[in-house]
Formats: sequence, structure tokens, C-alpha cells
Amino acid sequence: DAKTTQPNSMESNEEEPVHLPCNHSTISGTDYIHWYRQLPSQGPEYVIHGLTSNVNNRMASLAIAEDRKSSTLILHRATLRDAAVYYCILTSPSGAGSYQLTFGKGTKLSVIP
Amino acid sequence: DTEVTQTPKHLVMGMTNKKSLKCEQHMGHRAMYWYKQKAKKPPELMFVYSYEKLSINESVPSRFSPECPNSSLLNLHLHALQPEDSALYLCASSQGENSNQPQHFGDGTRLSIL
Repeated sequence: DAKTTQPNSMESNEEEPVHLPCNHSTISGTDYIHWYRQLPSQGPEYVIHGLTSNVNNRMASLAIAEDRKSSTLILHRATLRDAAVYYCILTSPSGAGSYQLTFGKGTKLSVIP
Repeated sequence: DTEVTQTPKHLVMGMTNKKSLKCEQHMGHRAMYWYKQKAKKPPELMFVYSYEKLSINESVPSRFSPECPNSSLLNLHLHALQPEDSALYLCASSQGENSNQPQHFGDGTRLSIL
């Protein structure tokens, strides 16, 4: 699986925008870029994903570089509930009716009141 | 609340016990997954079931035995576990091999081996 590189930790003030970067220089043409987050004592939660174009949903926005070698997850107004570990993951079909998520260390986001 | 339900939430067992973890989803997903997460580490894939058949076993010791009785249920049978097996065990599901669809996770079973 292609690997991703994320900062270990980031801080944000409450109600400020947050930009979480991810580098994936070995991404292949069929890899989707997925973002998940994991709040304390919970399972990972899907945030957003994309292939080539920027994506928006109710939780966040995903900005994908033109060469697809990096992406940025954007939280428009951080809240205390957004404090979590954010994982950037590349996925492609395994060809066996499923696909694998290979989690890296992720970025631990702290939100300061 | 998640759409993937795992029971029990917590489990303490001795090394000679036999227990089972259960996972259930009613989203019509055809792929189901078991992950293991040690404290302060990312989740690691253990098993994948696709259309009720085991498709991936990530070299997991035989003391962990998965089972998929039907498309909605996934079990993980535990026997003769070691203290290092203490971890959070996460179940997930997805529609299938289309990586354009997300995986949905339960909140896990926190397992402690005495």
C-alpha cells in the first residue's frame, strides 16, 4: 500500500479553521484518499474521501493537489468535539471483494478553548 | 451511535478462558473486517470477510478464530490468549471492494487478559 506522511500533532484554537496536511508522493492513479478520525474511546469515524477533485461535506473539506501527491483536510471552524487523531489513508481495491485500510500514526489534533 | 454494533464493550478474561466477540451490521454491507488496536497505536487489520468468506488473514495467531455466520454478523472466537493480546478490537464493514465507499466502524470491545 502507498504510504502517507502526517505531522504527529497540531493545535488549533476553538472556532478557528484547521488545515491538516498529508503527503502521499507514491500515490497511484487508482488510489482514493480517505480521511478518518478517532475520538478518545471510540472507533474510527469516516470524515471524507476523494480521488482527484476537491470535496466538501457537512463535516469537512478535502483539498487535493493537482499532482495528487498531497492533500489537506480542512475543518472550517474547530470545536472541542473535533479533538481527535486524524488519519489520512490511501485505498485501492484488493480484488477480493473488499479493500484494506492501512492506518499510519495520524495527526493528533488538540483544540484550545 | 454507530451503525456497527459490537458486544461486549468490555471483556476481562483469563488465559485459559474461551470467549467470543460479536459484531453486527444491518446496512447490507458485504465486506466485514476485524482490526486490533493497542494503546496509543493505530488500528491494524487482522481479518477480512467478503461475501461471508474469509479473504484476508494477516498472519494472525490461531488463538484468534473468526467466523461469519451470515452477511450481518461477524464473530471473533478467543482461546488461550496471552496478556499481550490485551487491546481494543474493532469491527468494520463496507459495501464491498469499491474503495469509493467508506468503512463503518463500531466502537470496539476493550479486551483485558489477566
